[in-house]
Amino acid sequence: DVKVTQSSRYLVKRTGEKVFLECVQDMDHENMFWYRQDPGLGLRLIYFSYDVKMKEKGDIPEGYSVSREKKERFSLILESASTNQTSMYLCASLGMKNIQYFGAGTRLSVL
Amino acid sequence: ELKVEQNPLFLSMQEGKNYTIYCNYSTTSDRLYWYRQDPGKSLESLFVLLSNGAVKQEGRLMASLDTKARLSTLHITAAVHDLSATYFCAVDIAMNRDDKIIFGKGTRLHILP
Repeated sequence: DVKVTQSSRYLVKRTGEKVFLECVQDMDHENMFWYRQDPGLGLRLIYFSYDVKMKEKGDIPEGYSVSREKKERFSLILESASTNQTSMYLCASLGMKNIQYFGAGTRLSVL
Repeated sequence: ELKVEQNPLFLSMQEGKNYTIYCNYSTTSDRLYWYRQDPGKSLESLFVLLSNGAVKQEGRLMASLDTKARLSTLHITAAVHDLSATYFCAVDIAMNRDDKIIFGKGTRLHILP
């Protein structure tokens, strides 16, 4: 079974902190994604990556950056967390047959 | 800019009824996905539609794609309570090696026993 693992299910951080959200997939997928999910807004694409060290901005990249140093790992970075970044963050990878696999999500609260 | 619009955003229906969720998108794409999300859970892939006229069925759910109309539908037949969930469609703009996948806002489906 494909596995997409997000390092934390819940995180509580303070405004201004630097936050790292880690995502690892074990199926050698090239494409990986970070979304945030907010009530009434669905999933919004923050960043995506199609290969190591390659990244593309999604629809809402402001306040975020990403890192893809290894194929299996795609990290989302909040350089200076703000309260409006409180959200559920979902990582996904895209496999064969165009099936996107999601991690369990990280619920981030910024106080 | 790609926009993906689902409607309705919320649907409450009786068991045994039929209904259709619509997904419209604003730019050319021939890849569309449907997902299910249960409360507190992550997303589960339901269907992958890869060509105009594609139709896929799984149990009481059937999805179709019309790329010319930029429309996909998810049809529910004789709904049962277990189908209560939020359903998302997502559109893939595949360019070279990039796959940019954009989601609709989701349709929360509540099926009354």
